[in-house]
Amino acid sequence: EDKVVQSPLSLVVHEGDTVTLNCSYEVTNFRSLLWYKQEKKAPTFLFMLTSSGIEKKSGRLSSILDKKELFSILNITATQTGDSAIYLCAVYNSGYALNFGKGTSLLVTP
Amino acid sequence: GAVVSQHPSWVICKSGTSVKIECRSLDFQATTMFWYRQFPKQSLMLMATSNEGSKATYEQGVEKDKFLINHASLTLSTLTVTSAHPEDSSFYICSASGSSGIDGELFFGEGSRLTVL
Repeated sequence: EDKVVQSPLSLVVHEGDTVTLNCSYEVTNFRSLLWYKQEKKAPTFLFMLTSSGIEKKSGRLSSILDKKELFSILNITATQTGDSAIYLCAVYNSGYALNFGKGTSLLVTP
Repeated sequence: GAVVSQHPSWVICKSGTSVKIECRSLDFQATTMFWYRQFPKQSLMLMATSNEGSKATYEQGVEKDKFLINHASLTLSTLTVTSAHPEDSSFYICSASGSSGIDGELFFGEGSRLTVL
């Protein structure tokens, strides 16, 4: 059975802190790993990772995949209150369906 | 980017009634659509995968007769919750992938919050 495990489940930090969110997976026929940010409604796409060791970056967010150790991290530097959200990790297998982790709930306090 | 529209955004219904939720891809042809369910403070759980013109593939534990999915065209999929009960109250989200074949190009609808009284 495919598994996607995220940690921590929740996190509270102060503005300006740097956070690292973790995602480990066990998926048959792995194709790609994706990160999403979910605020009040549907998730919004952040990154898609298919190759090990190649960092993807968008502003203060960055992510990297380790296909040998089967995990990915999402880093957020200089956090802002607007970063407060649930961050979801999901993995594509050969079946074209996304398997989601339970998410990390991030709260950034002023 | 591509847009997926979901309707209604939220619905309240009486127990025993059926509710239909629509998911439309507005500017691309969605060969495959996925329906997810999300309970409060939990992640998205895949319910079923639907391909245009064929029967949906349901995940284990999802009742086919309870959650009817129809993907009649390349731009529309519908989820009908039949004889809804309070335990069906949840946030339902659809997503669609286009025929571009690019992994990760999965676009989400805005979600539909169902409350069954």
